[in-house]
Amino acid sequence: QKEVEQDPGPLSVPEGAIVSLNCTYSNSAFQYFMWYRQYSRKGPELLMYTYSSGNKEDGRFTAQVDKSSKYISLFIRDSQPSDSATYLCAPPQGGKLIFGQGTELSVKP
Amino acid sequence: DTAVSQTPKYLVTQMGNDKSIKCEQNLGHDTMYWYKQDSKKFLKIMFSYNNKELIINETVPNRFSPKSPDKAHLNLHINSLELGDSAVYFCASSQRGFTTDTQYFGPGTRLTVL
Repeated sequence: QKEVEQDPGPLSVPEGAIVSLNCTYSNSAFQYFMWYRQYSRKGPELLMYTYSSGNKEDGRFTAQVDKSSKYISLFIRDSQPSDSATYLCAPPQGGKLIFGQGTELSVKP
Repeated sequence: DTAVSQTPKYLVTQMGNDKSIKCEQNLGHDTMYWYKQDSKKFLKIMFSYNNKELIINETVPNRFSPKSPDKAHLNLHINSLELGDSAVYFCASSQRGFTTDTQYFGPGTRLTVL
């Protein structure tokens, strides 16, 4: 079992939809949770991060962590075609990022 | 100005050859990394260096040898290339190498071994 698991998709939604991207993890030691976004043929870039449990909002993006069930979510409101990318869940540990496989999202105009 | 740059962007080579990928960051960061992204898009850490010192060395074949001549550069040399080495290799950097530091990634080097 991989430490971080994501449904690879692809997930296709119409513009304006609310998107829910999910991630599960097995290592209880994870304290921080990062979401990276990777556009096609580009390097990943940090989208947002959150610590411990609860919600964190940044514009149209909300990250949610439920440590009791080891479940992380990223919600995108009013999705735009420019949000089309792969979203990678990446809890850091020991100075390295432990990446999930990523979920490929396509937002259709 | 590109924060983290890699050369070459594409590399196509025959099995058994030796090749190098270069990485440079102009962010003034202390820590640099190499990650490998396989055909299923899994990104996995290979190495990290902090101020030219090897910090992380994951289970990577010893055909892969990183070298950091200074803290702004981290190169990756691969000997005796194999088909399974085909992947996208990303260089990244972070300010101090702390767990919570943001890692900034380069554009990747797409290696194809024939």
